[in-house]
Amino acid sequence: EELLLESGGGLVQPGESLRLSCAASRFTFSNYAMNWVRQAPGKGLEWVSVISGSGDRTFYADSVKGRFTISRDNSKNTLYLQMNSLRAEDTAVYYCAKGRELELLRISFDYWGHGTLVTVSS
Amino acid sequence: DIVMTQSPDSLAVSLGERATINCKSSQSVLYSPNNKNYLAWYQQKPGQPPKLLIYWASTRESGVPDRFSGSGSGTDFTLTISSLQAEDVAVYYCQQYYSNPPKCTFGQGTKLEIK
Repeated sequence: EELLLESGGGLVQPGESLRLSCAASRFTFSNYAMNWVRQAPGKGLEWVSVISGSGDRTFYADSVKGRFTISRDNSKNTLYLQMNSLRAEDTAVYYCAKGRELELLRISFDYWGHGTLVTVSS
Repeated sequence: DIVMTQSPDSLAVSLGERATINCKSSQSVLYSPNNKNYLAWYQQKPGQPPKLLIYWASTRESGVPDRFSGSGSGTDFTLTISSLQAEDVAVYYCQQYYSNPPKCTFGQGTKLEIK
C-alpha cells in the first residue's frame, strides 16, 4: 500500500514562511500527479495545488496563488509546498494526496497522508 | 469555478437502513469525449484523512464494501449506503475534478450519524 508522510507544519506568525514536505514510498512517485489539500479546524476540504509527475505543470487555488509554490524532487520521492506571506486563514491541516491514475492531473485522489498542522497566529 | 453543493448537511439513519447523500454541481462535470463524469466521493472519519470511495461517479474503489454505490450524471449525483453499519459514521464529501485547467472543488460535506 502506498505511503505518504507529511512534515514541516508548525506555529508561525502572519507574514512568515513555511515549507511542507511529503515523503512518498511504495509507488513510482514520478508517474503520478500530486496534490496538496487543506482542512481548516472543524471545516471542509479545500484543494490547494497540483503538480504533474514530471513537475513541469503546476496549478493553484486562487486563495494561494502568488504566495504558495508546489514542487517535487523525484530523485528523493518528495513533494513540497513552499508557503510565503502566511495569513491566519491559512491555518489548517495540510494533506498531500496522490492522483489515482498514471500522469493525469484531472483525477481523483486514491491515497492521502495523515496531514501536518499549520497554525498562523501572532 | 464549479461549486459543489451537498444535501443534506447532516443525516441520521438507523442501522441497517439506507442512507442517501446528494451532490449537485453548478455546471456539468460530464466530459463528452470519454463519456465520464469527473466526480468522486470520499469518507472522512474523525482524526483521519479522507478515503476514496467512488470515482468516475459510479466506480467503487478497490476494497470498498459493495454497500456503497454512486450514481448520477451531468450535474446531479448520489452516494448511497444500502445498509448502514456503525463503522460508516463519518463525514462524506463529493469532489469534482472536471475543471480545466485543473482546479478541483469539494462539496461542504455531509455528516452521517446513527439514529
